[in-house]
Amino acid sequence: KNEVEQSPQNLTAQEGEFITINCSYSVGISALHWLQQHPGGGIVSLFMLSSGKKKHGRLIATINIQEKHSSLHITASHPRDSAVYICAASWSSGDKLTFGTGTRLAVRP
Amino acid sequence: DAGVIQSPRHEVTEMGQEVTLRCKPISGHNSLFWYRQTMMRGLELLIYFNNNVPIDDSGMPEDRFSAKMPNASFSTLKIQPSEPRDSAVYFCASSRFPRGAPYQETQYFGPGTRLLVL
Repeated sequence: KNEVEQSPQNLTAQEGEFITINCSYSVGISALHWLQQHPGGGIVSLFMLSSGKKKHGRLIATINIQEKHSSLHITASHPRDSAVYICAASWSSGDKLTFGTGTRLAVRP
Repeated sequence: DAGVIQSPRHEVTEMGQEVTLRCKPISGHNSLFWYRQTMMRGLELLIYFNNNVPIDDSGMPEDRFSAKMPNASFSTLKIQPSEPRDSAVYFCASSRFPRGAPYQETQYFGPGTRLLVL
């Protein structure tokens, strides 16, 4: 069964801290997505990757194919980063996305 | 550029009533996805269109749900009759689909429609 697991479920950090959110999947994937859902409910796609690393501003996403694991890092965290971060994976080009349960991040000033 | 537009943003209705949710994808995008999000089940794909044709509707829960895409700039998701368990946030997303791999392209989400069925 294709599964996606995220950890931690909840994370509280102080402003400025380096944050890591983890995503593990059951077997080899064709693509992994990181999404951000704001407190108001809107969803933004952050990254889509199948290998290596991608960086956008203070956000970095990495994926380790051998270990079936992806991480989302936030450097110099800020209260506006407070959101739910969701990873999602697909196992072949035609497979629908399977979503993790999300990591709820709160960054305190 | 305008993002994905959904309407209404909020809908409260009574059990048994028909509900129609609307979505306008980003211009130039040829893939459209309808998702449902609940506390219990998280995000789930309901149906996906490519070039206005339904490709994967295996996530549509039952016959009460139907979706159409009459043209490249408009899609509807209809629930008839609605039930309290349909209460959720319904998201529409769109993407470009040039390489034949719909889930390997970045998806752009609309703001969602929050549905409450009493």
